[in-house]
Amino acid sequence: GESVGLHLPTLSVQEGDNSIINCAYSNSASDYFIWYKQESGKGPQFIIDIRSNMDKRQGQRVTVLLNKTVKHLSLQIAATQPGDSAVYFCAERDYGNNRLAFGKGNQVVVIP
Amino acid sequence: EAGVTQFPSHSVIEKGQTVTLRCDPISGHDNLYWYRRVMGKEIKFLLHFVKESKQDESGMPNNRFLAERTGGTYSTLKVQPAELEDSGVYFCASSPAGVGEKLFFGSGTQLSVL
Repeated sequence: GESVGLHLPTLSVQEGDNSIINCAYSNSASDYFIWYKQESGKGPQFIIDIRSNMDKRQGQRVTVLLNKTVKHLSLQIAATQPGDSAVYFCAERDYGNNRLAFGKGNQVVVIP
Repeated sequence: EAGVTQFPSHSVIEKGQTVTLRCDPISGHDNLYWYRRVMGKEIKFLLHFVKESKQDESGMPNNRFLAERTGGTYSTLKVQPAELEDSGVYFCASSPAGVGEKLFFGSGTQLSVL
């Protein structure tokens, strides 16, 4: 399968701890943001999304924070589990061109 | 409900050969996207169909790539002739509403050009 994780920032986290994955974006016209998780050999899987009129949104064990002032997006995972090991991508949508643009990804490794 | 399916899952071809990738979106999804991830880099947009029409093909690398979506159902992406730099994982995604929101991805086709 695909060798994900090469040349990617890597976050190693102890099982049970909280994880924070950060993403910077540059397009101030972006109005929608989304986090995906990609496990080896699989396609990106939706985690959570947020619109630009919000600064926080919570899901099951995950929280996304959006700071439009500094163009920063973060994903917080509570009580990280081994199954959370994957590459995490943030993506933004430019209201003008109506497509998702992905960041480079962050590798998360959960240590049992 | 079946997800987005892609075929083949892996393809190994020689430089200069032709390869055709297929994507079956989730039934009823008008929007279909092709993306590509070259080793270690970000997932890059290739093109977007709305039903059978190409809405945006600005991400297609060059004219060796041809995408079709006849009848607005499944889509094919043909690379002819393939070059070494075409190697990577090709993802297809679909979505039912809005544009560029909450895309559902297939597992991808790993293309290796030797």
